[in-house]
Amino acid sequence: DSGVTQTPKHLITATGQRVTLRCSPRSGDLSVYWYQQSLDQGLQFLIQYYNGEERAKGNILERFSAQQFPDLHSELNLSSLELGDSALYFCASSGGAGGTDTQYFGPGTRLTVL
Amino acid sequence: GEDVEQSLFLSVREGDSSVINCTYTDSSSTYLYWYKQEPGAGLQLLTYIFSNMDMKQDQRLTVLLNKKDKHLSLRIADTQTGDSAIYFCAEGGGATNKLIFGTGTLLAVQP
Repeated sequence: DSGVTQTPKHLITATGQRVTLRCSPRSGDLSVYWYQQSLDQGLQFLIQYYNGEERAKGNILERFSAQQFPDLHSELNLSSLELGDSALYFCASSGGAGGTDTQYFGPGTRLTVL
Repeated sequence: GEDVEQSLFLSVREGDSSVINCTYTDSSSTYLYWYKQEPGAGLQLLTYIFSNMDMKQDQRLTVLLNKKDKHLSLRIADTQTGDSAIYFCAEGGGATNKLIFGTGTLLAVQP
């Protein structure tokens, strides 16, 4: 158990809908990262937050947004969902924001868009 | 550019050693990581190596880094059926802390 929790574990929804994925980092960690794992794109970095502020952005679509709250949990919002958004979404956390901080991953949320 | 490559599949017999290889392109990476993903599960950090090291050993795991060739390998000694999983290498620590993952290697351990 990495100490990173994600809810829900599974999510099934329809095209055009909007969903929110939630992540709680390990106790004491200030950074939260979101990654998407899909069959065609592999594991891709989406976005990082550090202590409530956006720190780095990757291949995140404009339809997707994220935020980190004062209690350090994070939410990833996916809107106008398309079939191709079906994937496993991972959250990871690390202590700081720096390049030497090891990331610990949650169990993931499996999103299926029908 | 950023690209991390791995062979897709490796099959070994129980008790043998497994060697999973990875090549990366970003020479500014500070750390290189190995993660394990079992079916239906998340990513478990196995080990990592700092970019100024050549080798790191951690129980049954040995990581070798050839920085000149940008080649990373993970050796698992005495491979067990419980080691069957997908193994990802990742580079990180450059300008941001984002991880760039390889395609993953499926390790199948035959009893």
